Amino acid sequence: EDQVTQSPEALRLQEGESSSLNCSYTVSGLRGLFWYRQDPGKGPEFLFTLYSAGEEKEKERLKATLTKKESFLHITAPKPEDSATYLCAVQAPRGSEKLVFGKGTKLTVNP
Amino acid sequence: NAGVTQTPKFRILKIGQSMTLQCAQDMNHNYMYWYRQDPGMGLKLIYYSVGAGITDKGEVPNGYNVSRSTTEDFPLRLELAAPSQTSVYFCASSYKTGYTGELFFGEGSRLTVL
Repeated sequence: EDQVTQSPEALRLQEGESSSLNCSYTVSGLRGLFWYRQDPGKGPEFLFTLYSAGEEKEKERLKATLTKKESFLHITAPKPEDSATYLCAVQAPRGSEKLVFGKGTKLTVNP
Repeated sequence: NAGVTQTPKFRILKIGQSMTLQCAQDMNHNYMYWYRQDPGMGLKLIYYSVGAGITDKGEVPNGYNVSRSTTEDFPLRLELAAPSQTSVYFCASSYKTGYTGELFFGEGSRLTVL
């Protein structure tokens, strides 16, 4: 069964303190790995798609990387506005429209 | 563009009642989806549609029904509500005919069944 495990469940940082969130996955024939940001009371907002091991994507203070078994979301010098829950999802093999989501990492950045 | 619009935002149902969650998108997306999100759990796919007149089951379809008569609208019907259907429901849509995983989500409908 396809699985996505995110760690840690919660992370508290001081403003400017860089760190990384982890997403490990088990899926045969990965078609894509996706990162979303979700603010309280809102729907998830798309951040990145990664398709193959070694690929990296960046957006402002965020950088996503992908290996054959896991992905990292690196947060450099975070600000309080980066506080949110970050969701990781993988796309099941061709023929399926399903995304398998992890439970998320709740990030809190204190000023 | 309003994006993906869901109504209602909040609803309380009694056990056995039925209701429809509405979802509309104005981005001319072919693909539309319904997910549910329970506390501490990942999003689970209920139903999806690849175009008007075409729908298919996701991971957790029991107790729900959908229809897709237009490109814009994708309502989710709950029949005989049960406490297990207490959740936050998200409608989403995607742009390309090839599935990319880039979904546009609505703000959610929070449903409580008592």
